[in-house]
Amino acid sequence: QVQLLQSGSELKKPGASVKVSCKASGYSFTSLNINWVRQAPGQGLEWMGWINTNTGDPTYAQGFTGRFVFSLDTSVSTAYLQISSLKADDTAVYYCLRGHYDTYWGQGTLVTVSS
Amino acid sequence: DIQMTQSPSSLSASVGDRVTITCQASQDISNYLSWYQQRPGKVPKLLIYDASKLQTGVPSRFSGSGSGTDFTLTITSLQPEDTATYYCHQYNPLPPFTFGPGTKVDMK
Repeated sequence: QVQLLQSGSELKKPGASVKVSCKASGYSFTSLNINWVRQAPGQGLEWMGWINTNTGDPTYAQGFTGRFVFSLDTSVSTAYLQISSLKADDTAVYYCLRGHYDTYWGQGTLVTVSS
Repeated sequence: DIQMTQSPSSLSASVGDRVTITCQASQDISNYLSWYQQRPGKVPKLLIYDASKLQTGVPSRFSGSGSGTDFTLTITSLQPEDTATYYCHQYNPLPPFTFGPGTKVDMK
């Protein structure tokens, strides 16, 4: 069955970097792009962007350029989100999901940025 | 970028009530709209895609309508398990995509 399995929670200090993984299984990884979505505590869903799983080309939403990098390792059907120069307001749950819309989301990765 | 608005931002209703949530896009998005339900502490769940298509396994009391800029999610007979926040999401069909701000539904 289709599954998107994300890496575990992270606790980071301001200024550090974090890399979140999203491992896909149960379907052809390159058949659908991977989106990233952020949800800050008590807030709504924000579409961060997506990565074309065929070409590796990323598209970033406004507000998610510069410190945010999407990447792939197609050999292990995994997408990555790296955030550098972490700030307190990067504290959020980060989700991956397939395609334009989908019933299959990763379980979410909580990234906490605190000194 | 396309902006999405939702109304109301929150509502309280009784079991069995008909509930309507509206979503408006800042420009024509045809029918490239989905609706998600998110219960507290849970992953969002796809309810409706392409504005009006019911995702497999979703109860038939949920329905979606609209096209262009104005869309509606209707719950025909509210159940206790429908307590959640509902988000619309446009995917027009090229990025950037955007979510609405959400509508919180709770029980009276």
